[in-house]
Formats: sequence, structure tokens, C-alpha cells
Amino acid sequence: KQEVTQIPAALSVPEGENLVLNCSFTDSAIYNLQWFRQDPGKGLTSLLLIQSSQREQTSGRLNASLDKSSGRSTLYIAASQPGDSATYLCAVDTDKLIFGTGTRLQVFP
Amino acid sequence: NAGVTQTPKFQVLKTGQSMTLQCAQDMNHEYMSWYRQDPGMGLRLIHYSVGAGITDQGEVPNGYNVSRSTTEDFPLRLLSAAPSQTSVYFCAASSGANVLTFGAGSRLTVL
Repeated sequence: KQEVTQIPAALSVPEGENLVLNCSFTDSAIYNLQWFRQDPGKGLTSLLLIQSSQREQTSGRLNASLDKSSGRSTLYIAASQPGDSATYLCAVDTDKLIFGTGTRLQVFP
Repeated sequence: NAGVTQTPKFQVLKTGQSMTLQCAQDMNHEYMSWYRQDPGMGLRLIHYSVGAGITDQGEVPNGYNVSRSTTEDFPLRLLSAAPSQTSVYFCAASSGANVLTFGAGSRLTVL
């Protein structure tokens, strides 16, 4: 059974820091991996999707990497801003999307 | 562009009552799904549909029914609500590329 773990569960950093969020999964047979952002009381917004054949995807200050063989993905956020404060979730697609429990990020001024 | 619209946003039920959470999308996406989100559990798939007339069970389907009579609508029915169904429910739609668009969520409390 596919299990998705995100570490850390919560993170608090000062504005301007570069940071890395981690996602690990137990079964490497995935179609793709997605990173989502969730603001309090809101739905999820897709940030990046990495196909299983890709190693990374970039969007603005966000860069996501995928290492299928080791079952790991990282989301790198450059020059963090208070507006980045949210919960970040990863999800692996194995015919169905399996979500991690998320990392709650707070960026303070 | 409305995307995915869920109604109601909030609902309080008594144990044993039934209700339907509505989900509508205007993107003409074939794939639609329902998730529930509980503290410390992440999102768990309840039911999903790959097109009109086709539905299948996800990870936690017990106590929920779905139907897909049109591409646009994918309602989730609770036949006899239980306190364990207190949760936030999200509907999502996607194209074949599997980039999900989520609704804003429906917060359900069962007393």
C-alpha cells in the first residue's frame, strides 16, 4: 500500500530564507507527483506536477524535484515571503492520488 | 471561470439524517473525485468518476454514495450521517493530465 509522508509537519522561518519541504513515498511505481498549496479554510491549489519521467519542475520561486528510485521529492522555495505561509501537500498518482499529511509553513516578517 | 463549485460551504446534521453535498464543474473535465480531510490524516479519496455514468470507490467509501449523470455534476450523498463523518469535504476535477482543480470545500459537522 502506498504511503506518503511529509517532514517536517510544521516549519516557521523568517522572511527571505530559502527552504526545503520533503515528501517521501513507499512505492516508486507512480505516474506523477504533485505539490499543492492550501490556505486556511480554502481548497487546494496545484503548484507543480512532475511526471514520473522528469527529475524536476520549476515555477517562479518554486522548484520541485523527484527521485523515484529513492521515493523522495523536495519542494524548494527561494526567498520566502509572508505570503508563502500556507500548508503544502504532496500527492503521488498511482491511478489514484495519495496525499501526504502536509507541512504547515509560517514565514514571519 | 468558476472552476469547481461546492455547496453548501457549511452544514450541521444530526446523527441519522441524510444530505447531499453538491459539486459542479464548468471545465468539461472527465475525471471528478471526492475527498475528505481530517486533522493529521491528509486527504483521503472517497469516490471518483472517470466520466458520466461511471463511478468507483476510493479509499474510504463506506457511508457515502455518488452518481454521475452528467459531466458537470458529481453529488456526494450521506445516507445516514454519523459523527465519524464530521470532516471537510473537497470535490476535485481534472483532465487527462491529472492536474486537479479543487473546490473550496464543504465543512460538515454531525452531532
